[in-house]
Amino acid sequence: KAGVTQTPRYLIKTRGQQVTLSCSPISGHRSVSWYQQTPGQGLQFLFEYFSETQRNKGNFPGRFSGRQFSNSRSEMNVSTLELGDSALYLCASSLGGAGKNIQYFGAGTRLSVL
Amino acid sequence: TQLLEQSPQFLSIQEGENLTVYCNSSSVFSSLQWYRQEPGEGPVLLVTVVTGGEVKKLKRLTFQFGDARKDSSLHITAAQPGDTGLYLCAGALNDMRFGAGTRLTVKP
Repeated sequence: KAGVTQTPRYLIKTRGQQVTLSCSPISGHRSVSWYQQTPGQGLQFLFEYFSETQRNKGNFPGRFSGRQFSNSRSEMNVSTLELGDSALYLCASSLGGAGKNIQYFGAGTRLSVL
Repeated sequence: TQLLEQSPQFLSIQEGENLTVYCNSSSVFSSLQWYRQEPGEGPVLLVTVVTGGEVKKLKRLTFQFGDARKDSSLHITAAQPGDTGLYLCAGALNDMRFGAGTRLTVKP
């Protein structure tokens, strides 16, 4: 069974640009959660999607958005990039809710904002 | 302030030594998980503990969940260089909340 796949693995953008990250969950998993990981803040929850609906949202500005498709694949978008958005963005999938089920993580997308 | 506080933040030891890392919170969790993350990879689940006072063993790793389900510890016996990595605890609320992690380095 294939694991969680995130693309691209690395991205370099400049301030003000926007970026879209992609996550393909494990087959059969309906929940996809996104996290931002930085050395200073650790892993911070962004949002969770389940069956194409956003179910939970963390404390991030509206520049961070996401969506989930009918095949459970998910995308995350960050608009008007800031230097502080440089981070490792991790996606995790699970069968049900993120708070109730084991999450499996992808390798992440490392975003650098210059 | 992190909902889950992990200590120590950094730990560097020699191969063969024992160590304990801690995960503390003022919140009660329905379950708590421990992950290990290696450079360039996402976190990988090591164990889930769900019952207060529970102790789980995974080879040289021993995990304990506090009686009140607010804290947990991870003890590694006879650490090996392959144990090097970032150890994260995570607690289940409506979503998963992660600690900042303990970065462990085991020197040969």
